[in-house]
Amino acid sequence: KAGVTQTPRYLIKTRGQQVTLSCSPISGHRSVSWYQQTPGQGLQFLFEYFSETQRNKGNFPGRFSGRQFSNSRSEMNVSTLELGDSALYLCASSLAQGGEQYFGPGTRLTVT
Amino acid sequence: LAKTTQPISMDSYEGQEVNITCSHNNIATNDYITWYQQFPSQGPRFIIQGYKTKVTNEVASLFIPADRKSSTLSLPRVSLSDTAVYYCLVGPGLEAGNNRKLIWGLGTSLAVNP
Repeated sequence: KAGVTQTPRYLIKTRGQQVTLSCSPISGHRSVSWYQQTPGQGLQFLFEYFSETQRNKGNFPGRFSGRQFSNSRSEMNVSTLELGDSALYLCASSLAQGGEQYFGPGTRLTVT
Repeated sequence: LAKTTQPISMDSYEGQEVNITCSHNNIATNDYITWYQQFPSQGPRFIIQGYKTKVTNEVASLFIPADRKSSTLSLPRVSLSDTAVYYCLVGPGLEAGNNRKLIWGLGTSLAVNP
């Protein structure tokens, strides 16, 4: 069974731009969560989607948003990028809301 | 959600047993202790979870004293491939819907040398 895939793996954007990251969960998994990982802050929870609905949300500004499609694939969007948004963005999927999560390799976003 | 404290880094040699201790003084009655492993350029991977006493699986053991204010992840006979960052998290168990809001610290960077 294929693992969680994330595209693109690397991305360079400039301040003020927006970016969309994609995540394909493990087949059969219906929950997708997104995390931001930075050297200084560690890993921080952004939000979780289950059955196309956001079920859980971390403490990030409204510039960070996401959605989930009927096939459980998910996208997250960051608008008006700031230098501090440079990070590794990780996606994790699980069978249901709650339950063991399986992480993807992440998308490395650099904002210049 | 309880915060955790763990060493920033540790060094070991192949074949040795490695014990990584995590402090969580404010652990709540319903909290579980969960450990993850992360290799460079990869997402974290679940290792083990426990509530009290001792839990063992094919990868590691988790020792939790009676007061539950700390826990120790034990990796038997480490190899070079165990070089990774290890995270200790305290909060709702894996099955809980609000498990996602666990506080991840900076983890312990374990270097296994030949």
